[in-house]
Amino acid sequence: QVQLQESGPGLVKPSETLSLTCTVSGGSITITSYYWGWIRQSPGKGLEWIGSISYVGRTNYEPSLKSRVTMSLDTSKNQISLNLNSVTAADTAVYYCGRERPYCSGGYCYSIFDSWGQGTRVNVSS
Amino acid sequence: SSELTQDPAVSVALGQTVRITCQGDSLRSYYASWSQQKPGQAPVLVIFGKNNRPSGIPDRFSGSGSRDTASLIITGAQAEDEADYYCNSRDSSGDHVLFGGGTKLTVL
Repeated sequence: QVQLQESGPGLVKPSETLSLTCTVSGGSITITSYYWGWIRQSPGKGLEWIGSISYVGRTNYEPSLKSRVTMSLDTSKNQISLNLNSVTAADTAVYYCGRERPYCSGGYCYSIFDSWGQGTRVNVSS
Repeated sequence: SSELTQDPAVSVALGQTVRITCQGDSLRSYYASWSQQKPGQAPVLVIFGKNNRPSGIPDRFSGSGSRDTASLIITGAQAEDEADYYCNSRDSSGDHVLFGGGTKLTVL
């Protein structure tokens, strides 16, 4: 059973870069058909998709964050990284990584987040 | 539009049936997935596809859909079902993940 674990600094100063890592155990990040997503949740708010990276490193980002986000795979460590630059207080949130299986079959498509990390809290403050 | 709309809050009496809905244009081509999130915890997948439950999810959880609306149905709601529920799909391009705003379920 795959397990995901987020890690990174809990405190980031405004205008700096937030860097997080998601370490995957129990399965390879290059397994065909799976994507790896970063999702955040601001205090008292809902889930917000940040972006996803495929098993071959193809990325897609939330349009409103695209100019500030970079995601990458480290296959040697079985990790997915997230960099979000020029952070402000609005980026304070719990950050989750999740495994997604997007596919289409029989005329319908699916987006299934079947595994999630426990989340890591990031506070943006000076 | 590229968004999924959910009612912010729904309540149900203990043991009764409740329907939580998710509406969006993407659901004309995507089956919604549903995740449950309890306070201080990560989301957990409860329904995916037409009406599929991951291993360990009670059979009182089911899903349905019609045109641009998907529903999560809890038949015989229990106290432990009190949580936030989120639907998700991708947009029509298939490039971007969508999450609904979430529905807070209260079991009375």
